[in-house]
Amino acid sequence: DIQMTQSPSTLSASVGDRVTITCRASESIGPWVAWYQQKPGKAPKLVIHTASSLQGAVPSRFSGSGSGTEFTLTINSLQPDDFATYFCQQYKSYPWTFGQGTKVDIK
Amino acid sequence: QVQLVESGGGVVQPGRSLRLSCAASGFTFSGSAMHWVRQAPGKGLEWVAVISYENNQYYADSVKGRFTISRDNSKKTLFLQMNNLRAEDTAVYYCAKDLDKYGDSYLDYWGQGTLVIVSS
Repeated sequence: DIQMTQSPSTLSASVGDRVTITCRASESIGPWVAWYQQKPGKAPKLVIHTASSLQGAVPSRFSGSGSGTEFTLTINSLQPDDFATYFCQQYKSYPWTFGQGTKVDIK
Repeated sequence: QVQLVESGGGVVQPGRSLRLSCAASGFTFSGSAMHWVRQAPGKGLEWVAVISYENNQYYADSVKGRFTISRDNSKKTLFLQMNNLRAEDTAVYYCAKDLDKYGDSYLDYWGQGTLVIVSS
């Protein structure tokens, strides 16, 4: 199985900050990574797919990059609505696997 | 708009069975692969199973042989039959739509989830 190692597990930041979350795959997975945002008690919501493609109505302050084994999710100018937990996920092969999650909370 | 509504969760004793349902609307259900993903209380996300538009299925090792994913295209409904339940199956179960009909892409829509508690 492909392991997805996400860091950090918790990130404390302020409104307006730029934050970066990293995900490392245990083997090369090309660009086949998605990032999801989850708020307490809610379902995950797709933010980024194919490593760097912004989903639908997601604000442009979100961006993704990477390929192979190293991927990042960046949020420029963090907004109050962005405080949540973020998960990476590989869809290169089954079983699909998720990172452990990064909780972005208020400093 | 796309809607996925899960039902069927509840409290069940270890070793018993439960069937989850996911009613879909707002997209061509028969042309979409569908997944189940679960989340234990306070934990991360765990992919459970996928069924393609042509009924090909894959399962996580943790549920293989105990869970069965199926679909009824005439009713636009996805199912997860869970047998021989264990305490470690306790989780919120989400159904989610794959962008692709074969199940080779990402999850673009998720339901709100249904909670399964396995406890004596």
